Amino acid sequence: EAGVAQSPRYKIIEKRQSVAFWCNPISGHATLYWYQQILGQGPKLLIQFQNNGVVDDSQLPKDRFSAERLKGVDSTLKIQPAKLEDSAVYLCASSFGTLEKLFFGSGTQLSVL
Amino acid sequence: KNEVEQSPQNLTAQEGEFITINCSYSVGISALHWLQQHPGGGIVSLFMLSSGKKKHGRLIATINIQEKHSSLHITASHPRDSAVYICAVGANDMRFGAGTRLTVKP
Repeated sequence: EAGVAQSPRYKIIEKRQSVAFWCNPISGHATLYWYQQILGQGPKLLIQFQNNGVVDDSQLPKDRFSAERLKGVDSTLKIQPAKLEDSAVYLCASSFGTLEKLFFGSGTQLSVL
Repeated sequence: KNEVEQSPQNLTAQEGEFITINCSYSVGISALHWLQQHPGGGIVSLFMLSSGKKKHGRLIATINIQEKHSSLHITASHPRDSAVYICAVGANDMRFGAGTRLTVKP
């Protein structure tokens, strides 16, 4: 079974630039999560989708972050413009449902210079 | 106070030792997850539990809903167990602990 795919694996940008991350969840998984993990900390939920609808985006900095899952399958997370404090690993995870086991992608490591 | 507290933050053990990592939470939950994160690697889900105890190989996870506490035990620890172990609670609004960094020395 293919796992959660994320790309790119690494990204280095300058502050104020834009960046986008892509996630393809496991086939059939209705629930998709984007997390931000700053070095030395646990992941923080940015946004949760159930199919193509947003369940929770309370911790998403909406002035600069946006995410979509238009067809209820793959998803993109965008930062525009990036700040230095956005340097982190961005993790995508999926599950069949909200009370099901989570499967994580390898993450995208973002460095903002 | 964080909603999910893990202890210890760092743990160093000798190969073969029995290891316990604790997680206390202050929110109501429907499920608790134990996750493993290797350096530079992704996160792997070890357990999801809502009551009682689960066992997988040398790993055992327990949860006490009344006390809002869970423990992850590793029996006969091995250097390959070295990783960060993260406790996460909730369903629709999952909250994560900061993780416990485990180093098992040969």
